[in-house]
Amino acid sequence: AQSVTQLGSHVSVSEGALVLLRCNYSSSVPPYLFWYVQYPNQGLQLLLKYTTGATLVKGINGFEAEFKKSETSFHLTKPSAHMSDAAEYFCAVSQYNTDKLIFGTGTRLQVFP
Amino acid sequence: DTGVSQDPRHKITKRGQNVTFRCDPISEHNRLYWYRQTLGQGPEFLTYFQNEAQLEKSRLLSDRFSAERPKGSFSTLEIQRTEQGDSAMYLCASSSADTTGDTEAFFGQGTRLTVV
Repeated sequence: AQSVTQLGSHVSVSEGALVLLRCNYSSSVPPYLFWYVQYPNQGLQLLLKYTTGATLVKGINGFEAEFKKSETSFHLTKPSAHMSDAAEYFCAVSQYNTDKLIFGTGTRLQVFP
Repeated sequence: DTGVSQDPRHKITKRGQNVTFRCDPISEHNRLYWYRQTLGQGPEFLTYFQNEAQLEKSRLLSDRFSAERPKGSFSTLEIQRTEQGDSAMYLCASSSADTTGDTEAFFGQGTRLTVV
């Protein structure tokens, strides 16, 4: 069975500060890992994904994440937060060749001026 | 390509009534997923179609829930005898599987159901 744990349901940063959103996963098979962003009353938009290959993955809007198998982690980072980054962020895992996603409970990011 | 479209965006219904939601996936996508998202939670998988075949159903999908994708294009999700616990955002996603397994699910904006 697969699962995802997102540590911290709320994260607050100042504009221009580093953003770090934590995600740990559990999977008995090599996972595919994803980060999605959700704005209020909207669907989910893919930020980035890890399938195979390079463990440092770059996504849209300046976000990146690093797959660390030894730590079973896939933390999301952005060097400098922008006000427009305020949203809910979801980490998700799926198995090879199926995109049924198992989501974490989400982290709400607040950005203060 | 206009993305994944869901209708209606909002639905308020009285307890005990039946409701039906529609999802139009991206046209060339053969996979279609339904998820449910309650307040403060991540989306939870409900069911999945490949073309017109319903390949998997979650245990979350009680007998009151039924989903169809009759021609492998749009899909409907029906909830019979709605309960207050059915209040949630219902999300649809579609994707196109390739032989490498490298796929991406595109989500619609969801249908927010409120049962009063």
